[in-house]
Amino acid sequence: QQQVKQSPQSLIVQKGGISIINCAYENTAFDYFPWYQQFPGKGPALLIAIRPDVSEKKEGRFTISFNKSAKQFSLHIMDSQPGDSATYFCAALYNQGGKLIFGQGTELSVKP
Amino acid sequence: DTGVSQDPRHKITKRGQNVTFRCDPISEHNRLYWYRQTLGQGPEFLTYFQNEAQLEKSRLLSDRFSAERPKGSFSTLEIQRTEQGDSAMYLCASTYPDSGTDTQYFGPGTRLTVL
Repeated sequence: QQQVKQSPQSLIVQKGGISIINCAYENTAFDYFPWYQQFPGKGPALLIAIRPDVSEKKEGRFTISFNKSAKQFSLHIMDSQPGDSATYFCAALYNQGGKLIFGQGTELSVKP
Repeated sequence: DTGVSQDPRHKITKRGQNVTFRCDPISEHNRLYWYRQTLGQGPEFLTYFQNEAQLEKSRLLSDRFSAERPKGSFSTLEIQRTEQGDSAMYLCASTYPDSGTDTQYFGPGTRLTVL
């Protein structure tokens, strides 16, 4: 299967809190897992990405945790800010340069 | 690096009309992708090119859809005899896999509304 399942569908977090979004996949051939951020009316923009040989990757306030045996990965946003309010998509790719398979998206709202 | 550009940004058409969208990838990116995104969903793959060769087409791409990249630079996506179900955001992305990266850079999209 090529499906990527994402949860939750929507998330409300207080300013300064931690936002956690989860994804699960079936195809063990996937070898690249990016997270994209999308604002209304804009195209998706790459936030952070990880490969399955690494269990965690951190860039600023954003961290990906990867569990290869469980076929799950998650995005953690530390010290969430109102400017982080957007829709977040996880994705997976198994053929370098090939198509991305996206999750259904999580609409994050950070309340001041 | 001016980013991926798409034109037009918005298109309103009547059912049955033909529409064409254009995508200009990042310079020197030899792979170009088209995705479709409906409200509340993640982007869905439609097709992609390496230079001028179309390497893969999704089953979502009915025979009313055709994409070209004639000189390996910009690409066009044409939808013939549009239907209301074609209303969506059409996204273009590009990448240069020979550089060792898998990052796909997306354009702002073309929002199509079929009345």
